[in-house]
Amino acid sequence: KQEVTQIPAALSVPEGENLVLNCSFTDSAIYNLQWFRQDPGKGLTSLLLIQSSQREQTSGRLNASLDKSSGRSTLYIAASQPGDSATYLCAVPTQGGCEKLGFGKGTNLTVKP
Amino acid sequence: EPEVTQTPSHQVTQMGQEVILRCVPISNHLYFYWYRQILGQKVEFLVSFYNNEISEKSEIFDDQFSVERPDGSNFTLKIRSTKLEDSAMYFCATPGGWGYTFGSGTRLTVV
Repeated sequence: KQEVTQIPAALSVPEGENLVLNCSFTDSAIYNLQWFRQDPGKGLTSLLLIQSSQREQTSGRLNASLDKSSGRSTLYIAASQPGDSATYLCAVPTQGGCEKLGFGKGTNLTVKP
Repeated sequence: EPEVTQTPSHQVTQMGQEVILRCVPISNHLYFYWYRQILGQKVEFLVSFYNNEISEKSEIFDDQFSVERPDGSNFTLKIRSTKLEDSAMYFCATPGGWGYTFGSGTRLTVV
């Protein structure tokens, strides 16, 4: 059974800092990994999808890396802004293919002005 | 990125009442999913729906839950007799080439 873990559970940084969020998964036979952002009481907004054949994916100030063999992904946020404050979730297909997702519990990020 | 629309955004219901949550998924997609998130907990898979049939369901998805695609576009999740522990955010989702797209969710509060 695929288990997804995210550390840290919470992170508070001053504006402008670069930061790294971590995600680990137990079954490395994944098809892809997706990072989401969730604002309080809101839905999930997709940030990045990284395919199993890729090592990195970038969108603006966000960069996601994937190391399948070690079962890890990182989300790097450059030059953080107060508007980045949210919960960041990673998710992987639970049976390797394009199927139901298993989620981590998320990292609650606060960026202080 | 195409959108998945969910209604209502918030529903308050009394314990034992039936609720129907609605989703309008991305057109021409065949796979649909319902997930839920209890406050402070992980997003959990409930059920997947493919070609007008349930393809997989979790242990959470008991006889009190049902899904339908009544008119070829809307996709509904029905809870027949709500319990306090059904209070959660419910999300509809559909996969595509860009990954999964989630709706904005329905916050269900059972009192």
